[in-house]
Amino acid sequence: GESVGLHLPTLSVQEGDNSIINCAYSNSASDYFIWYKQESGKGPQFIIDIRSNMDKRQGQRVTVLLNKTVKHLSLQIAATQPGDSAVYFCAGEHTDKLIFGTGTRLQVFP
Amino acid sequence: SAVISQKPSRDICQRGTSLTIQCQVDSQVTMMFWYRQQPGQSLTLIATANQGSEATYESGFVIDKFPISRPNLTFSTLTVSNMSPEDSSIYLCSVGVSSGNTIYFGEGSWLTVV
Repeated sequence: GESVGLHLPTLSVQEGDNSIINCAYSNSASDYFIWYKQESGKGPQFIIDIRSNMDKRQGQRVTVLLNKTVKHLSLQIAATQPGDSAVYFCAGEHTDKLIFGTGTRLQVFP
Repeated sequence: SAVISQKPSRDICQRGTSLTIQCQVDSQVTMMFWYRQQPGQSLTLIATANQGSEATYESGFVIDKFPISRPNLTFSTLTVSNMSPEDSSIYLCSVGVSSGNTIYFGEGSWLTVV
């Protein structure tokens, strides 16, 4: 069945460093992937997405990499800031349904 | 993107009672979904809200416990019936403008059952 999971539950980084959050998925039929950021007390906020016909997509300070061979997804945040502290979820879409990973908490230290 | 409003944003409910959560979108959307997020956990899809027909429920969720309505393309409700403390969760409405496009979330309804 479909599952999307994360390697690490918590990631601690120093302000200004780059952050890399990883995600693995099991269903090779997933053709669309989204990263969400969830701050305390709020709903998930869309960050960036990527389709299965791409292997890299860049946004403002964020990059998503997709490796379909090993079914792996990563989110890279450049120059991490205190405002980046949140829980990050990857989600894979198949037949219009999103399946979420377990989440990684990103903690940014000064 | 779509602007999604949920009501109530928070509530404390007595066990055995039922609560209806409303989701209003500022534009017509093709797809509407309801998710549950238990404390410290990830999001789990409850059901797809279908306009004019019965919702499509995921494994582990049933209509008697989570009845859903979707009378039009901008509005849906989720009822949590006969609540118990295990139902204490965030309930999130999400929408997709069209198939294969980004899914957006509301801020959630934070329910505590006592």
